[in-house]
Amino acid sequence: GDSVTQMEGPVTLSEEAFLTINCTYTATGYPSLFWYVQYPGEGLQLLLKATKADDKGSNKGFEATYRKETTSFHLEKGSVQVSDSAVYFCALSGPAGNNNDMRFGAGTRLTVKP
Amino acid sequence: DTAVSQTPKYLVTQMGNDKSIKCEQNLGHDTMYWYKQDSKKFLKIMFSYNNKELIINETVPNRFSPKSPDKAHLNLHINSLELGDSAVYFCASSRTGGRNEQYFGPGTRLTVT
Repeated sequence: GDSVTQMEGPVTLSEEAFLTINCTYTATGYPSLFWYVQYPGEGLQLLLKATKADDKGSNKGFEATYRKETTSFHLEKGSVQVSDSAVYFCALSGPAGNNNDMRFGAGTRLTVKP
Repeated sequence: DTAVSQTPKYLVTQMGNDKSIKCEQNLGHDTMYWYKQDSKKFLKIMFSYNNKELIINETVPNRFSPKSPDKAHLNLHINSLELGDSAVYFCASSRTGGRNEQYFGPGTRLTVT
């Protein structure tokens, strides 16, 4: 079945460092891909998404490109801030007929130190 | 305006009790979900409802039962609570059909003692 694999954490960076969180997926058909962020004590929030190959999703300085050839959707940010400390989830959702099933990765905890 | 809301935010109860968690969404979505998040942050889909019809039911114990009085509400009832039920439970909603993002509530932290 469809699945998502993301790099294990935790990831600890200094402020202004470059961030990459790897995500690869397995899916039949052409899913939409998502990154969600969960700040401490809160629910998941959609960070960005991409709906087809070569699309780039971006938000709050974060970017991810839908790479069909490598089945990847890596999350990047050029300069992280302390406020980016959170758990990040990669996810996919298949085309209609998959009962809206959203598949989440295991989550990657990011800690940014001043 | 809160898009997806849950009550209560915290729930502490003893083993064997029965409890409910309420969820409401004001986004006009047709599909709602319940997830369980364990201490390692792993998310597990429990149920989803589309127009009052259960369309996903993962292998959860039948002590857990979703109840949807209308398409804006999906409540979670849990009977005979066990220690292993302690977790954070999230409600979410989305438009019906594939490839749609889901919107999450703030979560309910359930502690069973």
